[in-house]
Amino acid sequence: DTGVSQDPRHKITKRGQNVTFRCDPISEHNRLYWYRQTLGQGPEFLTYFQNEAQLEKSRLLSDRFSAERPKGSFSTLEIQRTEQGDSAMYLCASSLGTGSGTGELFFGEGSRLTVL
Amino acid sequence: AQSVAQPEDQVNVAEGNPLTVKCTYSVSGNPYLFWYVQYPNRGLQFLLKYITGDNLVKGSYGFEAEFNKSQTSFHLKKPSALVSDSALYFCAHNYNQGGKLIFGQGTELSVKP
Repeated sequence: DTGVSQDPRHKITKRGQNVTFRCDPISEHNRLYWYRQTLGQGPEFLTYFQNEAQLEKSRLLSDRFSAERPKGSFSTLEIQRTEQGDSAMYLCASSLGTGSGTGELFFGEGSRLTVL
Repeated sequence: AQSVAQPEDQVNVAEGNPLTVKCTYSVSGNPYLFWYVQYPNRGLQFLLKYITGDNLVKGSYGFEAEFNKSQTSFHLKKPSALVSDSALYFCAHNYNQGGKLIFGQGTELSVKP
């Protein structure tokens, strides 16, 4: 399978614990995005990378959230001191970024986080 | 604020009938508009996009969408619905042409036999 893969698919944790999600994009894609989706809502943009550079972070992203893409390939999203409000599906997407930004995003199946 | 809106939370259609899922946009400049579909427990899948050119855009699975500048709309359509089309549909726009997509809240399409 050469699509976007995310790991783990499901994570249950206790409030206050740290969690980390991993995303492996489509190999030739230079852009990588993280979104959060809660039930009944559309995906909310969190952050995106072009190669290893983090180009934008949403104001929704508190300082408990950090994302990295150290070698411009896979990415990790870490949530520190989780809160119940962090419970959501975390989606990763990748694209072949062009100057015009018209390329479609390819999404993984998501990592579902439940904070007890 | 630049955004897209999906005015209907749910659309119900009988199999074989035409379907329309509505989307309106509020975007300055040239809008780059997309439709995605999300099946249960699956990731979002790209259906189609409007960048420029012909206002009628054809996409995957027999879907098409019509870009209407005067009505600032980009409705998704299919001439004959299938039960397997039942899913969540999201309209999105490309904010600032920087690659980031901003999504609407979604419309749940239910096609009954």
